[in-house]
Amino acid sequence: DGGITQSPKYLFRKEGQNVTLSCEQNLNHDAMYWYRQDPGQGLRLIYYSQIVNDFQKGDIAEGYSVSREKKESFPLTVTSAQKNPTAFYLCASSITGRLKDSNQPQHFGDGTRLSIL
Amino acid sequence: AQTVTQSQPEMSVQEAETVTLSCTYDTSENNYYLFWYKQPPSRQMILVIRQEAYKQQNATENRFSVNFQKAAKSFSLKISDSQLGDTAMYFCASLNNAGNMLTFGGGTRLMVKP
Repeated sequence: DGGITQSPKYLFRKEGQNVTLSCEQNLNHDAMYWYRQDPGQGLRLIYYSQIVNDFQKGDIAEGYSVSREKKESFPLTVTSAQKNPTAFYLCASSITGRLKDSNQPQHFGDGTRLSIL
Repeated sequence: AQTVTQSQPEMSVQEAETVTLSCTYDTSENNYYLFWYKQPPSRQMILVIRQEAYKQQNATENRFSVNFQKAAKSFSLKISDSQLGDTAMYFCASLNNAGNMLTFGGGTRLMVKP
């Protein structure tokens, strides 16, 4: 079945370490997104990519980095500069970067929960 | 910048009854899209319904319908004949004019009681 795979499901990080969250999709979607969700809150956009080798900052990009070397992959690195990284991270993809063009604007993965040791 | 506000952090409803979740938004665009997403305990985000602002008719998907009041910038979700499986977080979201970014509200936790 086509879909989005996020791994790992749970991730622990020590203070001062960088950690990378994986997101892979086999939907042949052009656009991919990373969101952060804190307890009791909505999703906030970290980064998005509308096409391979291109990406833009979202609302809360500080302390994060991404790459988009392949269409199917959009890994997110949480750097040591992110002072409060404990959260639930959701990856999403869409057929195009223009979400008006599709009845299903975004497909979501199952998320990764990141905690600080 | 767009903003989306959900003023009800938590709600509950008896099975088989009807419940309405509120959402207000702010945008300077004339043509825009609004969405309701459901996030069950599994944390998967599921699209429930979408509304295009230029369409006057309220969107409906089976037991889910919206009350879209464009002048008031209000976009409420009505769930009829509530089922236990409707228990979830519900997020309202708006799409920017470029069509490439969603802005989410803070969510409403809905509990359907047997």
